[in-house]
Amino acid sequence: DQQVKQNSPSLSVQEGRISILNCDYTNSMFDYFLWYKKYPAEGPTFLISISSIKDKNEDGRFTVFLNKSAKHLSLHIVPSQPGDSAVYFCAASDGGGSNYKLTFGKGTLLTVNP
Amino acid sequence: GAVVSQHPSWVICKSGTSVKIECRSLDFQATTMFWYRQFPKQSLMLMATSNEGSKATYEQGVEKDKFLINHASLTLSTLTVTSAHPEDSSFYICSADRGSNEQFFGPGTRLTVL
Repeated sequence: DQQVKQNSPSLSVQEGRISILNCDYTNSMFDYFLWYKKYPAEGPTFLISISSIKDKNEDGRFTVFLNKSAKHLSLHIVPSQPGDSAVYFCAASDGGGSNYKLTFGKGTLLTVNP
Repeated sequence: GAVVSQHPSWVICKSGTSVKIECRSLDFQATTMFWYRQFPKQSLMLMATSNEGSKATYEQGVEKDKFLINHASLTLSTLTVTSAHPEDSSFYICSADRGSNEQFFGPGTRLTVL
């Protein structure tokens, strides 16, 4: 049972435009959400996160929105750049402490065309 | 800061042999380390969580006798795939938490079992 779902396996956008990556989750116990960027044959790199007490977090070109009632979050990248081309993973955590766990989605391959 | 390394980056072995993968936090002490496995076009699946000096906590369905985890120090964790078989071929990624509930990922190890 996939608790974190990224229903779009790929997304293609033009340089300078907005990229919107979506993520849905089913576990209402999740209270912390993260986005990671991953290049082939490399480990994921942390991008941005959001706590369930917020509905928006912004960091430069990256903004994450959380809609708790819909169990949906999205990552907005604007303006998109060719260097943003990578696989983006959404992840969720159900609590802090030393034994917290991250549950990942399957990822969305973003291609930004020059 | 917060660099995590893995060694080797790739390994090819014969069926029935054992393979050890090292995960090191280079510039911080990791209170907790995590081991993930990723199959092609799939999400990162958590295999186990380990705290220094204690036994690892394995996820459901992960054989602890097959995937031996040793967390001997605050900067080193090892994963040994014992009696490897072709179905164990995968991308293994570790991550380390320095106590901030934020995981920093290694670059991953590509294991191919012939």
